[in-house]
Amino acid sequence: DAKTTQPNSMESNEEEPVHLPCNHSTISGTDYIHWYRQLPSQGPEYVIHGLTSNVNNRMASLAIAEDRKSSTLILHRATLRDAAVYYCILRDGVGTDSWGKLQFGAGTQVVVTP
Amino acid sequence: EAQVTQNPRYLITVTGKKLTVTCSQNMNHEYMSWYRQDPGLGLRQIYYSMNVEVTDKGDVPEGYKVSRKEKRNFPLILESPSPNQTSLYFCASSREGLADEQYFGPGTRLTVT
Repeated sequence: DAKTTQPNSMESNEEEPVHLPCNHSTISGTDYIHWYRQLPSQGPEYVIHGLTSNVNNRMASLAIAEDRKSSTLILHRATLRDAAVYYCILRDGVGTDSWGKLQFGAGTQVVVTP
Repeated sequence: EAQVTQNPRYLITVTGKKLTVTCSQNMNHEYMSWYRQDPGLGLRQIYYSMNVEVTDKGDVPEGYKVSRKEKRNFPLILESPSPNQTSLYFCASSREGLADEQYFGPGTRLTVT
């Protein structure tokens, strides 16, 4: 299975943008890139996903490199509520025996300073 | 309100005493899954189900059973719990299709003594 690599932690000041990198050099052509986050004492929460093109939603933007070997989650204006562990996950988009599996890595702990 | 519910939220039990953690979703989702989360090991998938009567093993299925008799429910069964199954458990669901977001439940904290 394709794996992802993320920094252990990142710090940001409130109201400033946060760029969270994710490396996935062994990504296959059918893998979707998903991002989830987990706030303290809560279950993971979907943030955004994409395949090839950059994506935007109300929570964040996802910038995907042209070769798809890396991506960046962008939180445009960090708030204290954005302090969480952010997970970058690949999901196989082809119907194989393992397509239901979802593997979380260690994620990036985002610290937001007032 | 669209949600995934789990019961109980907290459970302390003894080794060998069978238990069931229930999971229910009200979104008519095809796909459901169970995870456990442990310090230093992150979230690991236990079992998943693509549809009613269709289940498959995740990365850490040993010591667990599941069933999917109805679309909305996906209980996790520990036939003979052991202390190494002390963990935080999450249930999740999503619509059919891998591009869909997963909705997670609030978690069940299980302690096996």
